[in-house]
Amino acid sequence: EVQLVQSGAEVKKSGESLKISCKGSGYTFSTYWIAWVRQMPGKGLEWMGMIYPGDSDTRYSPSFQGQVTISVDTSISTAYLQWSSLKASDTAMYYCARGLTTAAHGGDYWGLGTLVTVSS
Amino acid sequence: DIQMTQSPSSLSASVGDRVTITCRANQTITTYLNWYQQKPGKAPKLLIFAASSLQTGVPSRFSASGSGTDFTLTVSSLQPEDFATYYCQQSYRIPITFGQGTRLDI
Repeated sequence: EVQLVQSGAEVKKSGESLKISCKGSGYTFSTYWIAWVRQMPGKGLEWMGMIYPGDSDTRYSPSFQGQVTISVDTSISTAYLQWSSLKASDTAMYYCARGLTTAAHGGDYWGLGTLVTVSS
Repeated sequence: DIQMTQSPSSLSASVGDRVTITCRANQTITTYLNWYQQKPGKAPKLLIFAASSLQTGVPSRFSASGSGTDFTLTVSSLQPEDFATYYCQQSYRIPITFGQGTRLDI
């Protein structure tokens, strides 16, 4: 069974750093793109970027380029999303999704989400 | 960026109704269009990929069509579990973009 298991909710202060994770199982992790999607409270879905675990090729949305870093550790089938200095406006639910890339198949498996709350 | 616009933004319907949601791209995306359903507090779920292909396990009351810039998602006979928010998403070009969502209420 394909699963993407995300790390737990985080409560942080502005200026702090954070790294959240998404562990894939039930499939060959290195052969599918993993994307990150932000959903701010009460708002829609925003694609932040994606990484191909096989070669760590990474693409970012211009809206998030320079604001976050996406990385991967294929030895433990885990993708990461990190911030070096959080802002209150980073408060949101963050989802990882398999296959949410420029292809015809769509994001077929999603994690349950990681809620990040940043206080000022 | 490719802009995706859904209409309506919200829709009230009843069990058994047939409903259609429209999604328009501001440039051609051929058939690189996917539809998702999201229920409150849950992750999005892929319903339709490549404009008209039903994802495995999705009920056949869901259907979709379109190509180029105009797309539709239809639910033929609404069931109680279908009341949710629906998003279209283009996978033609990076950055991948979503429509703003259509909230389907009873």
